[in-house]
Amino acid sequence: AQKITQTQPGMFVQEKEAVTLDCTYDTSDQSYGLFWYKQPSSGEMIFLIYQGSYDEQNATEGRYSLNFQKARKSANLVISASQLGDSAMYFCAMREGRRNTGGFKTIFGAGTRLFVKA
Amino acid sequence: DTEVTQTPKHLVMGMTNKKSLKCEQHMGHRAMYWYKQKAKKPPELMFVYSYEKLSINESVPSRFSPECPNSSLLNLHLHALQPEDSALYLCASSQSGESSGNTIYFGEGSWLTVV
Repeated sequence: AQKITQTQPGMFVQEKEAVTLDCTYDTSDQSYGLFWYKQPSSGEMIFLIYQGSYDEQNATEGRYSLNFQKARKSANLVISASQLGDSAMYFCAMREGRRNTGGFKTIFGAGTRLFVKA
Repeated sequence: DTEVTQTPKHLVMGMTNKKSLKCEQHMGHRAMYWYKQKAKKPPELMFVYSYEKLSINESVPSRFSPECPNSSLLNLHLHALQPEDSALYLCASSQSGESSGNTIYFGEGSWLTVV
């Protein structure tokens, strides 16, 4: 069964420094998608970055990059130049690549709470 | 700002009440989702609609009843809920349900409290 593991319940980072949030996954599918979301205390889930299982290049979106190591089944999120507004919960997610009764499911890891210090 | 709009943002209801959560998207997406999120936990999938038809029901109790009137709207009807149903309910949409690469976009959520 598909599984997403985030082993860091909480992380601290100094403002303007880079931080890496860990994510490992387990799947038997050849085609899958990996996503990172940010959830501030307001509750909204904000999409940050996507990596496809067949993508050879690591995804980047502004200050966010995804360190994709397929053989190790890891998809770590790197946030460069941290800002106070980056303080939030971060979820790693994986989308199944095969049909499942007509719909695809996205599963989430337990999340990592990031605290950015001034 | 999110392009998935949810109303109401906050709802308090008694266990005998009937209420509805509403969700709307205008991105032309053909798949819509309801997730339930308890405090300090990840979102858990409840329902998936693909092309306006229910495609996944994650064994959700019948006191939760989804409805997809058209491709832009998704409702969640609530009846005879329990206090443990109090949670953040997130609506989401994606281009379709048929690709592993389709990003799910979420609304801001509806905070539900059952008293």
